[in-house]
Amino acid sequence: DGGITQSPKYLFRKEGQNVTLSCEQNLNHDAMYWYRQDPGQGLRLIYYSQIVNDFQKGDIAEGYSVSREKKESFPLTVTSAQKNPTAFYLCASSTDRGTGEKLLFGSGTQLSVL
Amino acid sequence: SQKIEQNSEALNIQEGKTATLTCNYTNYSPAYLQWYRQDPGRGPVFLLLIRENEKEKRKERLKVTFDTTLKQSLFHITASQPADSATYLCALDKGGTASKLTFGTGTRLQVTL
Repeated sequence: DGGITQSPKYLFRKEGQNVTLSCEQNLNHDAMYWYRQDPGQGLRLIYYSQIVNDFQKGDIAEGYSVSREKKESFPLTVTSAQKNPTAFYLCASSTDRGTGEKLLFGSGTQLSVL
Repeated sequence: SQKIEQNSEALNIQEGKTATLTCNYTNYSPAYLQWYRQDPGRGPVFLLLIRENEKEKRKERLKVTFDTTLKQSLFHITASQPADSATYLCALDKGGTASKLTFGTGTRLQVTL
């Protein structure tokens, strides 16, 4: 089955620690995205990548880093510089570029601070 | 500033009735508007996309309208079922690419027997 796989489902971070969230897709989509979702707020774009070896900052990139070494993988690292990391993190890929991209989301990772 | 408003209060309706959810926006000229469904602890699922030159779009029991004069989209679920209970998000797309999508906070729909 084609889709987007995020892991782990739950992640705990100690203060000062960097943690990495995994996102893999087997849909052959070029574009991939990371969003953060907080209660009572809309999804906010952290980083996105439209092609391998290239990525762009979204609206709230500070304290986060990404890489796009392979088309199918787009991991997100939450660094110690992100002072309020507790949130639900969603990875997505998109199809139908130019005609109105529709996002296909993974099942999310809930990150909490210990 | 640009703003998207969805009713933050939950919408409770009885099974079989039509549910109508509202998405209002200000200071946008969106090229597209999308609706997603999100269940608790899960990622959103794409439902419908409507373009600025379309007034209405339908898919099975779902209907979306897009009024660029009123700056409003309405999302209707006819013959609602308890399985339709979820949070529904609208998203505005300014330029046809997902990197330009802005999401509303969502409205939770609860369909009761």
